[in-house]
Amino acid sequence: EVQLVESGGALVQPGGSLRLSCSASGFTFSSYAMHWVRQAPGKGLEYVSAINNNGDNTYYADSVKGRFTISRDNSKNTLYLQMSSLRAEDTAVYYCVRRTPVFDYWGQGTLVTVSS
Amino acid sequence: QAVLTQEPSLTVSPGGTVTLTCGSSTGAVTSGHYPYWFQQKPGQAPRTLIYDTSNKHSWTPARFSGSLLGGKAALTLSGAQPEDEAEYYCLVSYSGGVWVFGGGTKLTVL
Repeated sequence: EVQLVESGGALVQPGGSLRLSCSASGFTFSSYAMHWVRQAPGKGLEYVSAINNNGDNTYYADSVKGRFTISRDNSKNTLYLQMSSLRAEDTAVYYCVRRTPVFDYWGQGTLVTVSS
Repeated sequence: QAVLTQEPSLTVSPGGTVTLTCGSSTGAVTSGHYPYWFQQKPGQAPRTLIYDTSNKHSWTPARFSGSLLGGKAALTLSGAQPEDEAEYYCLVSYSGGVWVFGGGTKLTVL
């Protein structure tokens, strides 16, 4: 069974940093591109970032470019999102999503709250 | 950046048919945009229903179908069930690896 479990969400002050993790199981993690999508409270979905299967190609939405870094450790079956210079508008539930090359499985999300 | 426009809300009667659409500010949505449709119920993660315009995952109920309609991506629900009440989002791919979500449609089954 494919499982994606996000962790690392927390309350952080504006300007702070946080690293999210997405632990994958039930499939060969190193064969799939992975993506991060976020959803602010009561709002719609926003595409954040992507990484190909071996980690040498990444993409960022303009809203996070230069502040967020996506990475992966295929030996640990884990996807990461390093977030820095956090702003109030980064407050959201962050989901990791598998892409096969089509989007299929989503994790349950982890909540990041940026507030003083 | 392109903007995808969806109906903010729609209502369908149980057993009825409804079509949700997703239009792009840059012009017609085509199969080359690989449009997706996702369903999200309150308190839950989104679930992928449709990919590449009209393809279904193994878990997608047969009553959902995807298409292109009048230059837009479309999701049609035929024979609505109470459990179909949810928010529906489209997602489209643009050149350069850019993916954009629509604003979502809140579907009420009433």
